[in-house]
Amino acid sequence: DVVMTQTPVSLSVSLGGQTSISCRSSQSLVHSDGNTYLYWYLQKPGQSPQLLIYKVSNRFSGVPDRFSGSGSGTDFTLKISRVEPEDLGVYYCYQGTHYRTFGGGTKLELK
Amino acid sequence: QVQLQQSGAELAKPGSSVKISCKASGYTFTSYYISWIKQTTGQGLEYIGYINTGSGGTNYNEKFKGKATLTVDKSSSTAFMQLSSLTPDDSAVYYCARGIGGFAYWGQGTLVTVSS
Repeated sequence: DVVMTQTPVSLSVSLGGQTSISCRSSQSLVHSDGNTYLYWYLQKPGQSPQLLIYKVSNRFSGVPDRFSGSGSGTDFTLKISRVEPEDLGVYYCYQGTHYRTFGGGTKLELK
Repeated sequence: QVQLQQSGAELAKPGSSVKISCKASGYTFTSYYISWIKQTTGQGLEYIGYINTGSGGTNYNEKFKGKATLTVDKSSSTAFMQLSSLTPDDSAVYYCARGIGGFAYWGQGTLVTVSS
């Protein structure tokens, strides 16, 4: 299985501040078709996960441009700028290049 | 609007089975696969497998082969997951989600508790 390692496990941020989450995979996520199937999800308390970013850097419909994804190969980053209260929750990376696996999650809290 | 409505919480005894449903609406059911995902506090999110809603073909994570059985009823736009030979380790929230990659739509989750 491809292991997805997220760091940090938890993060404290001030409202209006900026932060980033790292996700590293144990194998390259470049698919034989040339795409990199790396996604980011946010799970708010009591809710189902919601899609933020698909294929590394594409924001899903309705996702504010405060969220940006980057990376390649095995190293990926989610950046959140101008943090708002509705951004709090647990962030997960997920890969669909190999058999599908999720990262362990990063909990974003208010400082 | 797209919705995936899952069945309610289940309390089951060890060794028994449960069958969870996921009813889709707001789109053409057979145009998208349905995936199933397990969430526990200890193991986080785990991908169980998916079903081709058109053909009924399935694909399972090796870890869940023999544990989960995915089926579909096209006439009611509903996907099902049966979990068999339940143990306390199967206690979790189970989600259905549309697609097999970027899951844009999720069900609300079904809590399964296995306890004697």
